[in-house]
Amino acid sequence: GAVVSQHPSRVICKSGTSVKIECRSLDFQATTMFWYRQFPKQSLMLMATSNEGSKATYEQGVEKDKFLINHASLTLSTLTVTSAHPEDSSFYICSARHPTSGSYEQYFGPGTRLTVT
Amino acid sequence: KQEVTQIPAALSVPEGENLVLNCSFTDSAIYNLQWFRQDPGKGLTSLLLIQSSQREQTSGRLNASLDKSSGRSTLYIAASQPGDSATYLCAEVSGGSYIPTFGRGTSLIVHP
Repeated sequence: GAVVSQHPSRVICKSGTSVKIECRSLDFQATTMFWYRQFPKQSLMLMATSNEGSKATYEQGVEKDKFLINHASLTLSTLTVTSAHPEDSSFYICSARHPTSGSYEQYFGPGTRLTVT
Repeated sequence: KQEVTQIPAALSVPEGENLVLNCSFTDSAIYNLQWFRQDPGKGLTSLLLIQSSQREQTSGRLNASLDKSSGRSTLYIAASQPGDSATYLCAEVSGGSYIPTFGRGTSLIVHP
C-alpha cells in the first residue's frame, strides 16, 4: 500500500513551452501533497505544499506564477512549469502524506526528469 | 530554518564491511526522522522512520538510532553488499510544520 506515481517519468521540451507533471496517490487519499526539486548531487528542496481544494503554499524564492500547482482531487496534484527555460531543467519529485499515518510519514513518487532545450 | 547535515558526503568500501552513516540536525522540536535510499535518477525509498519518542529502529541489516539531545542520527548497515550502493538521505520532520528537511545525502559505493 501507499503508492505514489508520477507521470511522465521523463520529458524534454523546448524553451518557452509549458509542461505538466502529474502526481497520483494510487491506493489512498491524500489531502496534502508536496513538490520537491532536486539538482544533481544536491538534496531535495521543497517547492510547495499542495492542499486539496485550496491554494498551494509556496516556499520562499519559488515563483508561484511559474510553477502552477493544482490539487483538484484527493488523489491528484499537478505541477505545471510555465514558459520553461533551460535553468528549469531538474528532477522533480512529489510526495503524499498518508492521512491515517500518525507519524506524518510521506510517500514519494519516482520523480520526473525535465530537460528544457 | 532547520538544517540537516550528513557526513560523509561520499563513501567507498569493499563488500562485507559494516558502515555508519551520520546525520545531524538543529531542530530541538523534532517530530521524527526518516532515512531514505535513492538510486541514480530514481525517487526515494523509505528505509526507516524513528519517532521522537524512540531511540532506534531496525530492518534487516539496517539499524537507525536517534539521539535528540545531541541532534544526531546514525544509520548502521551491516555486512554491506554491492546492491547497497546508492545515495542515503536523512530527513528530519519538525514538530511545528510536519514538513521534512533533507540532508544532502551520503553517496555509498560498495565494490565487490
